[in-house]
Amino acid sequence: AQTVTQSQPEMSVQEAETVTLSCTYDTSENNYYLFWYKQPPSRQMILVIRQEAYKQQNATENRFSVNFQKAAKSFSLKISDSQLGDTAMYFCAFTPYTGAQKLVFGQGTRLTINP
Amino acid sequence: SAVISQKPSRDICQRGTSLTIQCQVDSQVTMMFWYRQQPGQSLTLIATANQGSEATYESGFVIDKFPISRPNLTFSTLTVSNMSPEDSSIYLCSVVPGFPTGELFFGEGSRLTVL
Repeated sequence: AQTVTQSQPEMSVQEAETVTLSCTYDTSENNYYLFWYKQPPSRQMILVIRQEAYKQQNATENRFSVNFQKAAKSFSLKISDSQLGDTAMYFCAFTPYTGAQKLVFGQGTRLTINP
Repeated sequence: SAVISQKPSRDICQRGTSLTIQCQVDSQVTMMFWYRQQPGQSLTLIATANQGSEATYESGFVIDKFPISRPNLTFSTLTVSNMSPEDSSIYLCSVVPGFPTGELFFGEGSRLTVL
C-alpha cells in the first residue's frame, strides 16, 4: 500500500522568509504523480504544484518549487518570499499513473506566515 | 480544469437523521470521488462514484452508511445515513477532468456537524 508522511505538523515563519515543508512517501510503483495541495481556512483545496515521477527536473511554479528525490522517496516543497496569503494547511499527495487515480494524502502541515 | 459546486456548504444535523450532499460539475468528467476530512485530520477517500453503476467503496466505508449516486457525467450525490457525532466532518467532492492529468479538482466541501 502507498503511504505519504509529513513529519511537520506545524510550521511558522516570518513574512518574506523561505520555508521548506517535508514529505516522504512509500510505493512500489515506478511511475506516479506527486502533488502539493493547499487548504486555506476557506476549505477549498487548491493545487500548488505537481511532479511527474519520470521527470528528473524539479517542478517550479512562481514562488513554489519542489525538491524531488525519487530514490529517497522524498518530495519537499519550498516557498520563497512567503506571503500572508500562504497561511494554510499543506497536504502532500500521491497517485500512481495507472488505476483509478485516487489520491493518498499525508497528514498535513499547518503553515502560518507571521507579519 | 473544472468548477465544482457542492451543496450544502454546511449543515447542523440531529443524531439518527440522514443528509444528502450534492456535487455539480460544470463539465463532463471521467472520474468523481468523495473524500472525508475529520476535524484537524487529512483527507480519506470514501468511494469512487461510477457513472451508471454502483460506487466503489474503500475499506472501512459501506454502501448502507454512505450511499452514492451518479446519474450522469456531471453530477453525484453522497448521503450520510443514520448520522452520529462521529460523522461530523467536511465531505469533499473531487473530480478528474475529461483529459486526466493526474491532479484532482475539489469542491469547497460540505461541513457537517452532528449533534
